[in-house]
Parts: sequence; structure tokens; C-alpha cells
Amino acid sequence: RKEVEQDPGPFNVPEGATVAFNCTYSNSASQSFFWYRQDCRKEPKLLMSVYSSGNEDGRFTAQLNRASQYISLLIRDSKLSDSATYLCVVNDIGNTGKLIFGQGTTLQVKP
Amino acid sequence: EAQVTQNPRYLITVTGKKLTVTCSQNMNHEYMSWYRQDPGLGLRQIYYSMNVEVTDKGDVPEGYKVSRKEKRNFPLILESPSPNQTSLYFCASSPQGRFGYTFGSGTRLTVV
Repeated sequence: RKEVEQDPGPFNVPEGATVAFNCTYSNSASQSFFWYRQDCRKEPKLLMSVYSSGNEDGRFTAQLNRASQYISLLIRDSKLSDSATYLCVVNDIGNTGKLIFGQGTTLQVKP
Repeated sequence: EAQVTQNPRYLITVTGKKLTVTCSQNMNHEYMSWYRQDPGLGLRQIYYSMNVEVTDKGDVPEGYKVSRKEKRNFPLILESPSPNQTSLYFCASSPQGRFGYTFGSGTRLTVV
């Protein structure tokens, strides 16, 4: 079983749609969780940190379920510019610098 | 501007010729890290550092060395590069482990 698992997609959605990505992680000791966005051949950019209480930033909402060890990202009112690969990232051991990346979920928003 | 700077951006080298990829950050971050990204394998951590003179292995450290002699710099050293180290490399930094990382623009390395 992969340590951080994501559905690779691609998710093809029309503009304005709501789309949700899930991610599962295997290490119950993990304490920090993130969603990153990566455009083709470019560096990953931090989209959101994920907290137990859930957090929202504009059209983006992230949730963490520690009991089931999964993380979700919801994107509302999708824009063409949201087309990218979304990476689920888990701090593997407490809050050390050891990060485990999921393989990424590709989103393509179409007009 | 707050940033992580990697050099070079592109490098083609020959097998066995030692090389260093530099990484520098201007945000006074404690944590720094190196990753490689390969098609179908995603991003994998090579080494990370939680402070000056403190480094630890990530998932794929074989064939790489790092040093952290000062807080702002974290060079990646390939003593004897091989073709299987052809990859896209990213350096990143973070204030602490519970915060997200800021990534550099990447170094595309080809070993022939």
C-alpha cells in the first residue's frame, strides 16, 4: 500500500463545476497535511494547509479526517485556471521535515 | 522578494563527473529539503535538514550528498552521477515542519 494515495484522474469538468479530491495516508502518526498545486514542469506551490477543524480559502475547502486517515479538497465554481495537478502531502513523522507526496490528481477544466 | 533559488536551471553532464546543484533561501527558514520528480513516480524526498549541521535521509538518498553549513544554503552533491539520476530536482524551505514548504523553480538534470 502506498503511503499517500490519490486517484490520478484525470478529472475533466466544465467551468463552474464543483469537484472533490480525496487522499488517504497510511501513517497515523502524521501531524501536518497539505495540498499543493503543480502546473506542468513547474514547481509545486502550496495551496492550503489542512487542519482537523477544516479550512476554507475562497473557492477551496480542505478537510481532514484523522480517524479514517483521509484528506479532501473541494473546489467550487471551477475556473479554467484551476487546471493543474493537485498534490496531497503528508508530514510523515510528527512535524519533522520528512514529507511524503501523493502521485497527484490531474484536473482539466473545460469551457 | 522571498524565494528559494536553485542553480543551474538546466544541466547536461556525463556519467561520473561530480556536480553540485546550489540552493539558497532568503526567508531565514530552519527547514530545507531536496526532492526529485520522475514520471510515474511523483515527488520523492532525497534529503532534508531541520537546522544547520542537522541533515537526515529522505526516501531516495543513494548517490547524493548534502551539507548545511549555514542556514540559507543547502547544496546537493552528486559525487559520481549516473544516468538513473536524470531527473527534475527541486529544493524547498520551510519555517518549521508543520508549515508548508516553498519550492525553488527546479533543476532539470540529464546524465549521459
